[in-house]
Amino acid sequence: SQQGEEDPQALSIQEGENATMNCSYKTSINNLQWYRQNSGRGLVHLILIRSNEREKHSGRLRVTLDTSKKSSSLLITASRAADTASYFCATDAAGGYNKLIFGAGTRLAVHP
Amino acid sequence: GAVVSQHPSWVICKSGTSVKIECRSLDFQATTMFWYRQFPKQSLMLMATSNEGSKATYEQGVEKDKFLINHASLTLSTLTVTSAHPEDSSFYICSARELARGSSNQPQHFGDGTRLSIL
Repeated sequence: SQQGEEDPQALSIQEGENATMNCSYKTSINNLQWYRQNSGRGLVHLILIRSNEREKHSGRLRVTLDTSKKSSSLLITASRAADTASYFCATDAAGGYNKLIFGAGTRLAVHP
Repeated sequence: GAVVSQHPSWVICKSGTSVKIECRSLDFQATTMFWYRQFPKQSLMLMATSNEGSKATYEQGVEKDKFLINHASLTLSTLTVTSAHPEDSSFYICSARELARGSSNQPQHFGDGTRLSIL
C-alpha cells in the first residue's frame, strides 16, 4: 500500500479536551509532516519533524517521532471547535525525491 | 507565506470532455509540483510528480495518456484529464515546494483543490 496507517480513523471529543492521533509508516524517512484539511479544501501544513528529531512543538500542537518504531503522534491540547478537520501525516521518504506519502488520516470532531 | 493557486475550484462536464486544471505558485518558484487525487473520506494518493522542463513521473497504476501533465515554467503546472468519464470524478489537489529552499526538509504548499464531476 502507498499509504501508512493512522489511528484512530475518527475521533470525537469535547472542547477543552486533548486529541491524540497516531501515524505509522513503512520506510526510512527524511522527515515526517502533519497536515490539516478542512472539508473540501486543500491541505494546510502544521509541523515538519526531521528524522533526527524526537519531539517538536508549535502552539497547541506537539509532535513526536520514533524512528525505531516508525511511528509519530500528533497531540492537540485544549481543543477548540475550530480544530474540527481531518489530519494527515505524510512521510518524505529517504531517496524519494521529496514526494510525500500520506497516511489514511484521522477525522477529528470537536464539539462545543 | 508561500501560496499555491489552483484553478478551477470546481468543474462539471459531460463524459468525453477533456478538462485542464492549473496549479500556480504565486510568490515562489517551484521546479517540482505534485498532483494528488482524493476520493471522499479518503487520503491523498500521489498521481505524479511534475518536473519543470522535463517529463512527469507517474506513480504505478496512473495512466500517463489519461492524465497529461505539463510543467512549462517554474510557476505553472497543468493536469489535463483527457476524455473524462464518471469514474474520473474526484478531488484533485496540487502541491509545490520552493526552489529557493534547497533543503529537502521543507514543507509542501498545497492548492485548494479542484472538484471534478463528470456526468
